Amino acid sequence: DGGITQSPKYLFRKEGQNVTLSCEQNLNHDAMYWYRQDPGQGLRLIYYSQIVNDFQKGDIAEGYSVSREKKESFPLTVTSAQKNPTAFYLCASSIRAGGNTDTQYFGPGTRLTVL
Amino acid sequence: AQSVTQPDIHITVSEGASLELRCNYSYGATPYLFWYVQSPGQGLQLLLKYFSGDTLVQGIKGFEAEFKRSQSSFNLRKPSVHWSDAAEYFCAVGASGTGGGADGLTFGKGTHLIIQP
Repeated sequence: DGGITQSPKYLFRKEGQNVTLSCEQNLNHDAMYWYRQDPGQGLRLIYYSQIVNDFQKGDIAEGYSVSREKKESFPLTVTSAQKNPTAFYLCASSIRAGGNTDTQYFGPGTRLTVL
Repeated sequence: AQSVTQPDIHITVSEGASLELRCNYSYGATPYLFWYVQSPGQGLQLLLKYFSGDTLVQGIKGFEAEFKRSQSSFNLRKPSVHWSDAAEYFCAVGASGTGGGADGLTFGKGTHLIIQP
């Protein structure tokens, strides 16, 4: 089945540690996105990538980093510089890099908790 | 920059009753509008989308939405709700990026739908 997978589903981290969230898609989509969701805040864009080896900052990129070495993978690293990392993280993809009308398809999410 | 407002944080509806969830957007040009639904602890599922053409859009699960440019609204409706419709609903707008690329969506803060038996 085609789709987007995110792992792990739950992640716990100690303060001061970096942690990497996985996102993989087998939809052959060009564009991929990372969003952060907080209760009552909706979704906010962290980073997006339109093509391999290229990515752009979204609205709340501080304290996060990404890479796009393969078309199907777009991992997100939450660094120790992110002051409030506890949140639900959602990865999405869309078929074309140049299509703002294209539907974004979402993965099941990773819930990160900082202890 | 574009923005989306969902005025209702929570809405309670009796099973079998009709539903309307409000969404207002702010954007200078023609927006691309979406409604997504999220069950607890899950990702988002697309219900419907509007790009152009007919302003009444049909989606999955019996939902529809109407684009009203004069009111900057894209309200979601369903004639008869089922208990399984209880979820969080998000309205989103996609803009034509300055570079013409696929920028991210701008989401409203969501409306939590509660279904009473």
